[in-house]
Amino acid sequence: AQTVTQSQPEMSVQEAETVTLSCTYDTSESDYYLFWYKQPPSRQMILVIRQEAYKQQNATENRFSVNFQKAAKSFSLKISDSQLGDAAMYFCAYYGNQFYFGTGTSLTVIP
Amino acid sequence: DADVTQTPRNRITKTGKRIMLECSQTKGHDRMYWYRQDPGLGLRLIYYSFDVKDINKGEISDGYSVSRQAQAKFSLSLESAIPNQTALYFCATSDFHNNYGYTFGSGTRLTVV
Repeated sequence: AQTVTQSQPEMSVQEAETVTLSCTYDTSESDYYLFWYKQPPSRQMILVIRQEAYKQQNATENRFSVNFQKAAKSFSLKISDSQLGDAAMYFCAYYGNQFYFGTGTSLTVIP
Repeated sequence: DADVTQTPRNRITKTGKRIMLECSQTKGHDRMYWYRQDPGLGLRLIYYSFDVKDINKGEISDGYSVSRQAQAKFSLSLESAIPNQTALYFCATSDFHNNYGYTFGSGTRLTVV
């Protein structure tokens, strides 16, 4: 079965600095999608960024970018110029024929 | 209005009571899901439905049941609530391809005392 691992339960970053959240996954499929979701204190799950496995180019959405290493089955999220509003729980997710979620990384942004 | 609406937002109930959590969507998606979120465990799938006549168990369906009343409505029931069902519950929808991920509701925080 596919698994998604987020090995950092908690992370912190100074405001305006850059932070990278790690995610690894296990799969035997060649075609799949990867996602990062943000869950702020309001608890709404918000899609941050999406990556198609067949695309080598790393996805970017404004200050959010990913480092997708297909051979290593790694999908990290980089947040640049961190803002107080980035403080949230971040979930990595995999979709092949079913969705799998990681256990989340709680990000604190220090003013 | 939100694309996926869950009611109630918060609920406290007593052990042994029957409770229903409701979800409705305006996305026009065929696929609907119920997840449970617990600290340190991420999101775990309870039930899912690919259309009105299709209901499937997820990894933690024991103690839960669902009803897909219409394409837009998918409710989750706890027939006899117990304290370890205290959690944050999410409804989610997706289109046929699932390629663009889920659209989530805002969650229902359920506390069983």
